[in-house]
Amino acid sequence: KAGVTQTPRYLIKTRGQQVTLSCSPISGHRSVSWYQQTPGQGLQFLFEYFSETQRNKGNFPGRFSGRQFSNSRSEMNVSTLELGDSALYLCASINSAREQFFGPGTRLTVL
Amino acid sequence: QKEVEQNSGPLSVPEGAIASLNCTYSDRGSQSFFWYRQYSGKSPELIMFIYSNGDKEDGRFTAQLNKASQYVSLLIRDSQPSDSATYLCAVNKWGGGSEKLVFGKGTKLTVNP
Repeated sequence: KAGVTQTPRYLIKTRGQQVTLSCSPISGHRSVSWYQQTPGQGLQFLFEYFSETQRNKGNFPGRFSGRQFSNSRSEMNVSTLELGDSALYLCASINSAREQFFGPGTRLTVL
Repeated sequence: QKEVEQNSGPLSVPEGAIASLNCTYSDRGSQSFFWYRQYSGKSPELIMFIYSNGDKEDGRFTAQLNKASQYVSLLIRDSQPSDSATYLCAVNKWGGGSEKLVFGKGTKLTVNP
């Protein structure tokens, strides 16, 4: 059974640009959540999607957005990038027991 | 009080010893508790979950939950150098009709050969 895939794995952007990250969950999982991980703040919840609907949202500014498609694949977008957005962005595939399985992450560097 | 608290460590134990990792949480309504292991440069990997008070064993790992004390722990028996990683405690939190996982900042464990 294939795991969670995230693309791209690494990304370098400059301030003010925008970025789109992609996540494909484990086959059969309909929920996807996104997290930002930084050394200082740890893992912080961004949002969760289930059946193309945002189910929950963390305390991030509106520059952070996401969506989910009918095949459960999800994307997150960050607009007007700031230096502080440099982080590892993790997508988790959620099963019916609410266990979360993480993908390898996208390492975003903002210069 | 932070929602999920863990000692940041580092926790250093000799090979073969028992490593004890602790976590406290603030929301009494939390029902699900997870332990993740994260190797340096890798993403978190789910190793155990526990829902009921008491102990749950899986191989060398034992999770312990005490809801009255709002405390969850992870014991690693016969620690191996390959267990050296950061261990993250995660607790579910309900709000606004939906739930999310809240993570502690993790405890870094080093197992010395």
